[in-house]
Amino acid sequence: GQNIDQPTEMTATEGAIVQINCTYQTSGFNGLFWYQQHAGEAPTFLSYNVLDGLEEKGRFSSFLSRSKGYSYLLLKELQMKDSASYLCAVGGSGGYNKLIFGAGTRLAVHP
Amino acid sequence: GAVVSQHPSWVICKSGTSVKIECRSLDFQATTMFWYRQFPKQSLMLMATSNEGSKATYEQGVEKDKFLINHASLTLSTLTVTSAHPEDSSFYICSVGTPAAKNIQYFGAGTRLSVL
Repeated sequence: GQNIDQPTEMTATEGAIVQINCTYQTSGFNGLFWYQQHAGEAPTFLSYNVLDGLEEKGRFSSFLSRSKGYSYLLLKELQMKDSASYLCAVGGSGGYNKLIFGAGTRLAVHP
Repeated sequence: GAVVSQHPSWVICKSGTSVKIECRSLDFQATTMFWYRQFPKQSLMLMATSNEGSKATYEQGVEKDKFLINHASLTLSTLTVTSAHPEDSSFYICSVGTPAAKNIQYFGAGTRLSVL
C-alpha cells in the first residue's frame, strides 16, 4: 500500500529554523516533492529530490534518503509568511507521473 | 514552471445541478493534467488523470459518470460535476504535469464548490 507520514502541526518562532520530516512507503518511486499551501490556495512547488542528499534553494532545503524512505524540508530564517501547510508528495507510485500526497504539516510561525 | 489558470474560483449551486470547472495551461502544452479534491484540513486526493485526446483515468472509488472529464486540447481540461449534492462540496484543484521537467506538477488556484 501507499503510506506517507508527516507531523500534523508544528510551531516555530520568527527567525528560527524548522525541520519538517516525511517518511514514506510506496510501491514506486520517481522523486520526492515538497509543496507549500496557504489556506484556501493551491499548492506551490518548493523542491524536488530524486537522489540521496541535500538540495538547497535559498532559505529552503530538502533532504532525501531513499534507503530509509525519509525526507525532510528545512526552513531557515523563518518569516511570518512561511505560516502554511507543507505537503510531502511521492512521485511514481501507482503511475509514472502521479503524485501521492501526505496529509500535510501545518506550520505556525510566531513573532 | 507552467502557468495554470482555473475557473471559476468559487461557485455555489443548487443540489441536482451540474457545474463545469475549467483548467487551462497558459504557457505549456499539457498532454496530461490532474484533478484533485481537497476537504478542509485534509490533503489532496487525486481523482483522475486527464489525457489529451483520450479518456481520463479515474482513481479507485471515483465515479466517472459523476465527474466527467474532457481534455480536448493541449491547453484545456474540464471537470463537470454532474447532479451535484452537498457532499460534493469541496475544493477542486487541477494541475499540469511536466514529464520533461522532473514530472513537477503545477497547480491552478482551485475552485471552491458549495452545493446547497
